[in-house]
Amino acid sequence: DADVTQTPRNRITKTGKRIMLECSQTKGHDRMYWYRQDPGLGLRLIYYSFDVKDINKGEISDGYSVSRQAQAKFSLSLESAIPNQTALYFCATSGAGSQPQHFGDGTRLSIL
Amino acid sequence: AQSVTQLGSHVSVSEGALVLLRCNYSSSVPPYLFWYVQYPNQGLQLLLKYTSAATLVKGINGFEAEFKKSETSFHLTKPSAHMSDAAEYFCAVKMDSNYQLIWGAGTKLIIKP
Repeated sequence: DADVTQTPRNRITKTGKRIMLECSQTKGHDRMYWYRQDPGLGLRLIYYSFDVKDINKGEISDGYSVSRQAQAKFSLSLESAIPNQTALYFCATSGAGSQPQHFGDGTRLSIL
Repeated sequence: AQSVTQLGSHVSVSEGALVLLRCNYSSSVPPYLFWYVQYPNQGLQLLLKYTSAATLVKGINGFEAEFKKSETSFHLTKPSAHMSDAAEYFCAVKMDSNYQLIWGAGTKLIIKP
């Protein structure tokens, strides 16, 4: 089984709908992250959490919210989806310090 | 603001040729440095990392990278390209253990037969 699991893998929805993307991990890491990837822009950080009670905005948090339900679970919500939120979304986890981040396989989200 | 620059959004090499993917960062102090690879329809996978030990770092799949402080660079190389190396490669920098990763825009590596 994958260490970092994202669901769903693909989602097509309409403008204005509420969407939740889920991430769970079995690595035992305290730190979890949500990124979006757009062609030519690399990865941009949406939100990150260093533990269950510590949630922080990244560089592009507007239009998104998150919930850290447990050490192993970190969900991303789009309260009212808009077309320019169409992107590939990644969840990642890491240990503290210089430890690298470990990624899920992504959720491809299309908003019509 | 700190930044990471990957020179070339696309790099094309022939199978068996040297692969060189460039990464430069802006920082006054030696950071933690990472290279990740992304195959189609997959997440990002760690290739290698530099965390202030040896300046030449060996990674998976025959890749290596050299940290050059004077040039603020961390270029990725592989002596002989293989078709399976076709992917997108990302350089990332972390200035401090509690800072976030700063990502380059990525370089797509194309391997010609």
